[in-house]
Amino acid sequence: EAGVTQFPSHSVIEKGQTVTLRCDPISGHDNLYWYRRVMGKEIKFLLHFVKESKQDESGMPNNRFLAERTGGTYSTLKVQPAELEDSGVYFCASSQDRRDIYGYTFGSGTRLTVV
Amino acid sequence: AQSVTQPDIHITVSEGASLELRCNYSYGATPYLFWYVQSPGQGLQLLLKYFSGDTLVQGIKGFEAEFKRSQSSFNLRKPSVHWSDAAEYFCAVDGGYQKVTFGTGTKLQVIP
Repeated sequence: EAGVTQFPSHSVIEKGQTVTLRCDPISGHDNLYWYRRVMGKEIKFLLHFVKESKQDESGMPNNRFLAERTGGTYSTLKVQPAELEDSGVYFCASSQDRRDIYGYTFGSGTRLTVV
Repeated sequence: AQSVTQPDIHITVSEGASLELRCNYSYGATPYLFWYVQSPGQGLQLLLKYFSGDTLVQGIKGFEAEFKRSQSSFNLRKPSVHWSDAAEYFCAVDGGYQKVTFGTGTKLQVIP
C-alpha cells in the first residue's frame, strides 16, 4: 500500500507570501494529523482531522495557518502570510481507528524555508 | 500535560557496539509509547510501539525497547549497531487523545 505522501518536499518562499502544503494519507485512514518541527526543536502537534472534520486544532500557532481536508481525503495546510518563524519541517501522519495495532504512519515531510 | 525527555542530544558509538537511547515520559497513566527514526532526507519511520502487555517490545531493524513503569522510562536498545543506523531517533507518547508528544530527538553517529 502507498504510504503518506506529502508535497512539495521543499519550498522556499519570501516573507509575506502564501504557501500551501498538501498531504495525501493512506487510503482508508480516517485520521489525519499535521505536525511541525521548527529550528531543530521537538516535533509538535498542530491538528487532527477525523474524515473532513477538525477534531483537535489546539496546536495551530495562529490564524495565519489554515488547514482543510476536502471530502475526507487529502489535506492542505496553508500559511498566509508566511513569517520567518514558520520555517521548519511540516509532517503529516495518518492512522486507522485501531492505532494500538497500527500506530501512526508519517510522511517524509515538507521542508519550508521562509526568507 | 504529557511530556517526553530524551536527555542525550547526540550519541556516538562504534559500529558493532551496543546502543541504548534513553527516554523518560511524564503522564498520569500508562500512555502509548513509540520510537521513531528519521534518516537524512526521509520521513519518520516507526521502529516499535508499546500499548500494553509484555514490557519488552521488539521492533524492526533489530531494535527493542523496555517499558519500565516505576522509572517512567522507555529506553531503546540495539545489541550491535550498523553504520546504516546513523539517524535521528525520537521517543514519543500518545496519552490517549490521538495527540502525540515527541521528545527533542537523539542524533546517532556511528563510527567505523
